[in-house]
Amino acid sequence: LAKTTQPISMDSYEGQEVNITCSHNNIATNDYITWYQQFPSQGPRFIIQGYKTKVTNEVASLFIPADRKSSTLSLPRVSLSDTAVYYCLVGNRDDKIIFGKGTRLHILP
Amino acid sequence: SAVISQKPSRDICQRGTSLTIQCQVDSQVTMMFWYRQQPGQSLTLIATANQGSEATYESGFVIDKFPISRPNLTFSTLTVSNMSPEDSSIYLCSVDLPKQHNEQFFGPGTRLTVL
Repeated sequence: LAKTTQPISMDSYEGQEVNITCSHNNIATNDYITWYQQFPSQGPRFIIQGYKTKVTNEVASLFIPADRKSSTLSLPRVSLSDTAVYYCLVGNRDDKIIFGKGTRLHILP
Repeated sequence: SAVISQKPSRDICQRGTSLTIQCQVDSQVTMMFWYRQQPGQSLTLIATANQGSEATYESGFVIDKFPISRPNLTFSTLTVSNMSPEDSSIYLCSVDLPKQHNEQFFGPGTRLTVL
């Protein structure tokens, strides 16, 4: 499993765009990049997944450069309710999902 | 998607006792997973439970301490045996769906406090 590195914590303000970058230098050819969100007292929730270039859904965008050694989760116009821990995971279909430490995002009013 | 429920949602237990946590899924799934999340920490995978076979435990977790049952494709239990205060944690079950890469659905968790 490719190891991931992401900031321990981030602060931002309501209405701002938040970008969380994850490094995964040892990503394998058949690995996907997946992001989860966890609110306090809840289980993690799948946000977005990508393999290369850009993926966008109703929640976020995921930017993946050509070398795939990093990825950036982009949350547009955050609100207080986006305060959560965000986990970046890298692996293929056969891998167990192993969570790293995640990024604790705190949105301020 | 999958809807997962867990029972109990929380419990306070005495040292030396055991607690069985139930996980129910609204659809048939092959693989179910059990995680532990200690306060302020990330999730740690305990074991993978496949229907019809023994659970596969991760390093640091053993069957005697965390026996798992998987009687059918929609249900699993995790028992935390001979509990100590160090077992105080949130225990979560999750499932993955065949057509999604690494997309797991998680239950709400069981918050366990051991006195």
